[in-house]
Amino acid sequence: NTVMTQSPTSMFTSVGDRVTMSCKASQNVGINVGWYQQKTGQSPKRLIYWASNRDTGVPDRFTGSGSGTDFTLTISNMQAEDPAIYYCLQHNSYPLTFGSGTKLEIK
Amino acid sequence: EVQLVESGGGLVQPGASLKLSCVASGFTFSDYWMSWVRQTPGKTMEWIGDIKYDGSYTNYAPSLKNRFTISRDNAKSTLYLQMSNVRSEDTATYYCTPGVADYWGQGVMVTVSS
Repeated sequence: NTVMTQSPTSMFTSVGDRVTMSCKASQNVGINVGWYQQKTGQSPKRLIYWASNRDTGVPDRFTGSGSGTDFTLTISNMQAEDPAIYYCLQHNSYPLTFGSGTKLEIK
Repeated sequence: EVQLVESGGGLVQPGASLKLSCVASGFTFSDYWMSWVRQTPGKTMEWIGDIKYDGSYTNYAPSLKNRFTISRDNAKSTLYLQMSNVRSEDTATYYCTPGVADYWGQGVMVTVSS
């Protein structure tokens, strides 16, 4: 199985900050990675597909990058509505696997 | 608007069987592979498996393939998850998703406890 390792596990940030979180795959997954946002009490929502493509309606402060084994989700200007758990998902090979999540909170 | 409505969850005893359903709308159901994903109370996400758009092929997480079966009825735009011999570790919220987790419904909770 491909293991997706996310870091950090949690982080505190301030409104207006630039936030970067990482997802590392245990083997090459190409660009077959998505990023998901799950706010408290809500279902997950996909933000990024194919590693760097923003879903419709996702603010452009969210940017995905990377390929192979190293992937990054960046929030360029943290907003009050962005606290959530962020997950990465690889769909390069079966079984599909998720990272354990990065919990993002406001200071 | 894509809608996914999962149902069939609840409190079940260990060893029992349970069948979840997911009614989809807002997209052409028969054009999409569909997946089941679950999230434990500790927020761990686990992919369960998927099924080809015509129902002819399925893939499963190795740890679950002997107990879980995915099926679909394209005429009813409905996806199913048959769970058998459930265990306490199957306690989770279960989601159905089209494609590669493109969209998510509200999920359905399953609690396995005596």
